Amino acid sequence: GQNIDQPTEMTATEGAIVQINCTYQTSGFNGLFWYQQHAGEAPTFLSYNVLDGLEEKGRFSSFLSRSKGYSYLLLKELQMKDSASYLCAVRLVNAGNNRKLIWGLGTSLAVNP
Amino acid sequence: GAVVSQHPSWVICKSGTSVKIECRSLDFQATTMFWYRQFPKQSLMLMATSNEGSKATYEQGVEKDKFLINHASLTLSTLTVTSAHPEDSSFYICSANPTATYEQYFGPGTRLTVT
Repeated sequence: GQNIDQPTEMTATEGAIVQINCTYQTSGFNGLFWYQQHAGEAPTFLSYNVLDGLEEKGRFSSFLSRSKGYSYLLLKELQMKDSASYLCAVRLVNAGNNRKLIWGLGTSLAVNP
Repeated sequence: GAVVSQHPSWVICKSGTSVKIECRSLDFQATTMFWYRQFPKQSLMLMATSNEGSKATYEQGVEKDKFLINHASLTLSTLTVTSAHPEDSSFYICSANPTATYEQYFGPGTRLTVT
């Protein structure tokens, strides 16, 4: 079966750094995504990792270790607007080349002043 | 970036009626689109993969006769919730990705309320 685990909730302080972990066990792997979703809105793309290592994009960075089935999203200089749900998703490549994503349950991050 | 639109953004209907939701890729062609459902404070649940010119692929537990999907062109997929019931009330989101890209672009979602 397919399984993606991430913490349900996290709390952090404005200006601080927070790391959101994601572990996965899937039958295939063709990349890992992080999306941000504010309440009542659609998810927006944050990052994509397909090779091991760290990808940095502004205040957000994402790390992947394929051998460990592990990724994290690092948010620096937290702002109040970063309060949202962060979704980890793994892309599978199945028959017909449908690029299906398997989603974690999301981590709800609350940033406090 | 690529843009995906959905219509309507919200809809209220009576129990027993059918509702159609449209998903359009505005500036790219999509042979595949994905339909998700999301209940409050829960993650995205993939319902089905919509394939242009062929039948949709439904996830386990999703009733294909209740959630009709039609992908008639490379820029339009529709989801029809037939004989809607209050338990079908949810946030429905579609996504697509342009050929040879990895990022899935999401529509803004449709909030369905069945009374």
